[in-house]
Amino acid sequence: QAVVTQEPSLTVSPGGTVTLTCGSSTGAVTSGHYAYWIQQEPGQAPRTLIYDTNNKHSWTPARFSGSLLGGKAVLTLSGAQREDEAEYYCLLSYVGSRVFGGGTKLTVL
Amino acid sequence: EVHLVESGGDLVKPGGSLRLSCAASGFAFSNAWMNWVRQAPGKGLEWIGHIRSQTDGGTADHAAPLKGRFAISRDDSKNMLYLQMNSLKTDDTAVYYCIPPGGSYWGQGTLVTVSS
Repeated sequence: QAVVTQEPSLTVSPGGTVTLTCGSSTGAVTSGHYAYWIQQEPGQAPRTLIYDTNNKHSWTPARFSGSLLGGKAVLTLSGAQREDEAEYYCLLSYVGSRVFGGGTKLTVL
Repeated sequence: EVHLVESGGDLVKPGGSLRLSCAASGFAFSNAWMNWVRQAPGKGLEWIGHIRSQTDGGTADHAAPLKGRFAISRDDSKNMLYLQMNSLKTDDTAVYYCIPPGGSYWGQGTLVTVSS
């Protein structure tokens, strides 16, 4: 089974920009991995911010964007706000399976 | 509006079985590949498996560590998704979610507790 890697933790200042990455043990992440980015605030159910690499839901704040960069899936947060403090998980698709990363705990401080 | 309600979670002894259900509405369920995901207390998200739409074969894939114990099925006539869990272990204690395509909805999940 593939292993999906994320930074365990990151800190960003309010108003700042931060990039979360999602790598795969099988090689470069491509559009064929249909990367998802899922946010989970403390004590809350998860919610999907990004699906299929760069598609947003109606509830996804405009300051979040998804892309591919350097062989990884990337979630960029531009103009961080305190309410963005949460755990962020990426999910990658493989043939016959999907695998979550371990999550990135984002602190806005 | 997409809506999913998971049910069937309970306290069960190690070695026991349980079937979870997920009632779907607000989207074309029969055309959707559906997923089950779980989250153990204080832990991250874990993909359990998915089931294809009938037009794509209707077959299911399960995460390797769970193959043989967990099985996903669906009843498109009722817009229902199921997860049959057998030989349950204490490590299976988690909140279980059913997720539609695009991750367009996350409900509150259903809690399964495996304990003697």
